[in-house]
Amino acid sequence: QKEVEQNSGPLSVPEGAIASLNCTYSDRGSQSFFWYRQYSGKSPELIMSIYSNGDKEDGRFTAQLNKASQYVSLLIRDSQPSDSATYLCAVNIQAAGNKLTFGGGTRVLVKP
Amino acid sequence: EPEVTQTPSHQVTQMGQEVILRCVPISNHLYFYWYRQILGQKVEFLVSFYNNEISEKSEIFDDQFSVERPDGSNFTLKIRSTKLEDSAMYFCASSERGNYGYTFGSGTRLTVV
Repeated sequence: QKEVEQNSGPLSVPEGAIASLNCTYSDRGSQSFFWYRQYSGKSPELIMSIYSNGDKEDGRFTAQLNKASQYVSLLIRDSQPSDSATYLCAVNIQAAGNKLTFGGGTRVLVKP
Repeated sequence: EPEVTQTPSHQVTQMGQEVILRCVPISNHLYFYWYRQILGQKVEFLVSFYNNEISEKSEIFDDQFSVERPDGSNFTLKIRSTKLEDSAMYFCASSERGNYGYTFGSGTRLTVV
């Protein structure tokens, strides 16, 4: 079973702090990794994609990928109350065509 | 910014009835998908569609489900005989290339009673 695992949370962080989210995946052949943000009752919104080992920064978001250890992480710097949402890790598993396999999501609560 | 449009936003149907969920993907995208999310659960893959045919489908996507691209813009999901357990949010998504992240539509909340 190809799986993507995330801690469900909630991850509670004070406003202005760094939120750190982790995701592990089981298929070593996975090639593409994505972070989506989902507000309650809304659709997932793509916030980051990463394809190679290392860090990728976009504004207050940094995605980190380590294929050897099979994990991908997301850092949210200077967290704002508007960042309160569920963050979904999604993986394109090489052997599974173009579909994305989603983790269960980590709920983040940013407290003012 | 281009977006994926889904209609209706909410559909209530009686068990055993047929429903059609509609989607208009982003115009230059070539890959189309349907996902669903039962309340409180993971986003689950249903089917992918490329070059006017299904490229992959999940175990969920049984004979009760079908997809169609009847014209150059619409992409539909049909459930022939709905069951209570089909109640979920159904998301359409599209991508320009197969290995890119998707853009999701706003979803259709299907309630089967």
